[in-house]
Amino acid sequence: SQQGEEDPQALSIQEGENATMNCSYKTSINNLQWYRQNSGRGLVHLILIRSNEREKHSGRLRVTLDTSKKSSSLLITASRAADTASYFCAPRAGGTSYGKLTFGQGTILTVHP
Amino acid sequence: DAGVIQSPRHEVTEMGQEVTLRCKPISGHNSLFWYRQTMMRGLELLIYFNNNVPIDDSGMPEDRFSAKMPNASFSTLKIQPSEPRDSAVYFCASSLGTSVLREQYFGPGTRLTVT
Repeated sequence: SQQGEEDPQALSIQEGENATMNCSYKTSINNLQWYRQNSGRGLVHLILIRSNEREKHSGRLRVTLDTSKKSSSLLITASRAADTASYFCAPRAGGTSYGKLTFGQGTILTVHP
Repeated sequence: DAGVIQSPRHEVTEMGQEVTLRCKPISGHNSLFWYRQTMMRGLELLIYFNNNVPIDDSGMPEDRFSAKMPNASFSTLKIQPSEPRDSAVYFCASSLGTSVLREQYFGPGTRLTVT
């Protein structure tokens, strides 16, 4: 099954700085989704980028996708303490996968006020 | 919309007891997923349903685990008998349709502790 691997495992920054997380995957995809998980909560969908897109923005989030390198990055600009969470990528293959997602271990982001 | 609802939010039980976790997906969603999250193994997909039919249960750890979806608005995950290694947070998620473009909506999770 398609699974992403997030890097780094943990990231610690100061409020106001930018945070960049990376995701690598192994097989061809239809799209790639990023999710956030606050401590003790369920995952929340952040953004989806299709395989024919190279960059996508949503508020302070910027996602890039390089299908030739099978990698994606999530950039959070002007980070806030509230951005402290775990971030997961979920590469999605095409076909009849019935919406199945496989998550990696995630990147734990800590933003210090 | 209330989102995905899970109950109970916390469950503490003794080894050997039966545990039943419940999930109500978002109204209109026809795909439902059960996940388990632990520090050691991360977030694992256990089983998922489409239109109340189990599609893939290859993630279910063993026969002690079973899941049902008797109708579009309710699903259960049962562990019988429970063991300490089953201690984890169990998430239910739902999505609308089977398109690969669909996102999943997660419930708040049930934290299970088996002593």
